[in-house]
Amino acid sequence: DVKVTQSSRYLVKRTGEKVFLECVQDMDHENMFWYRQDPGLGLRLIYFSYDVKMKEKGDIPEGYSVSREKKERFSLILESASTNQTSMYLCASNILKGEQFFGPGTRLTVL
Amino acid sequence: KNEVEQSPQNLTAQEGEFITINCSYSVGISALHWLQQHPGGGIVSLFMLSSGKKKHGRLIATINIQEKHSSLHITASHPRDSAVYICAVVLTGNQFYFGTGTSLTVIP
Repeated sequence: DVKVTQSSRYLVKRTGEKVFLECVQDMDHENMFWYRQDPGLGLRLIYFSYDVKMKEKGDIPEGYSVSREKKERFSLILESASTNQTSMYLCASNILKGEQFFGPGTRLTVL
Repeated sequence: KNEVEQSPQNLTAQEGEFITINCSYSVGISALHWLQQHPGGGIVSLFMLSSGKKKHGRLIATINIQEKHSSLHITASHPRDSAVYICAVVLTGNQFYFGTGTSLTVIP
């Protein structure tokens, strides 16, 4: 079974903190994605990566950065967390044009 | 901009009813996906379509490329079908665009 895991299901951080969200997939997929999901807005792409050390901005990259040092791991970094970054964060992976496999999500609250 | 529109946003049905969820898109696509998300849960892929129709159990998905429209049907609905159903389109390349989802509640 394809498995995408995320480091935390729930996370509470304070404004200004640096936050790391980790995602690991075990299917040797080239492509990995970070989305945020907010009510009424659906899933929005923050960043994606099509290879190790390669990254592309999605629709809402401001305030975020990413790191992909190994093929199986894609990290999302909030450099200085703000309250408007309170959201559900979902990681996904796929092979080119294939179905996406999603992690369970991390619900982040920034106080 | 909203490349993908879903309707209805919310749907309540009695157990056993036939359900239809619609998805319209405005751009050329290489494929369309239907996804399911249970409360508090992750997202799972139900179908990937580029033409015609696919069936899996009580779920049927259809797509009309000319009309830029897809439907997801659930026959003999059951309370365990209660979830959010999301339509996603894939443009050239590997970028996905998602609808805002249809929240389905099936009442026993």
